[in-house]
Amino acid sequence: DTGVSQDPRHKITKRGQNVTFRCDPISEHNRLYWYRQTLGQGPEFLTYFQNEAQLEKSRLLSDRFSAERPKGSFSTLEIQRTEQGDSAMYLCASSLGLVNLQETQYFGPGTRLLVL
Amino acid sequence: DQQVKQNSPSLSVQEGRISILNCDYTNSMFDYFLWYKKYPAEGPTFLISISSIKDKNEDGRFTVFLNKSAKHLSLHIVPSQPGDSAVYFCAASGGGATNKLIFGTGTLLAVQP
Repeated sequence: DTGVSQDPRHKITKRGQNVTFRCDPISEHNRLYWYRQTLGQGPEFLTYFQNEAQLEKSRLLSDRFSAERPKGSFSTLEIQRTEQGDSAMYLCASSLGLVNLQETQYFGPGTRLLVL
Repeated sequence: DQQVKQNSPSLSVQEGRISILNCDYTNSMFDYFLWYKKYPAEGPTFLISISSIKDKNEDGRFTVFLNKSAKHLSLHIVPSQPGDSAVYFCAASGGGATNKLIFGTGTLLAVQP
């Protein structure tokens, strides 16, 4: 399977705990995106990487959130001191990264987080 | 500020008939539009896209129409099949360095056998 993969698929945690999610993009894709989806809404952009550089962060990404893509391949999204409002589906997407060309983003299966 | 709107939360269609899903946007800088299909507990699956320089794009049973003057696009599925039942999201991007997607809230399509 050469699609975007995410791990874990499900995570249940207690409020105040830290969680980390992993995303492996399609192998030749340079761009990687994180989105969050809550019930009844469409996915909302969180952050974006071009290779290992994090080039944009949404205002939705509070100081408790941090994302990395250390070698320009897989990425991690960490949430510190989780709150019940963090409960959502966290989606990762990747695209080729062709400069100034319209591109399709391909999504992984998502990680569903439930904060108790 | 909802820049991409899908005003119909749900749509029910008989198998074999046409399904038409609608999407409106407000940002004239958007230049690329995509439709994704989503099943519960799965990530969105890309269906079809259209550039702002075109007004129609077709792929098998799926056709997307873009009316830039009205800032409106629609997805036509014909003939509709029960396996098409899912939530459909319209998304737009403004090009440039980020290409981040702005999504609508989705339309739940139910295709009745």
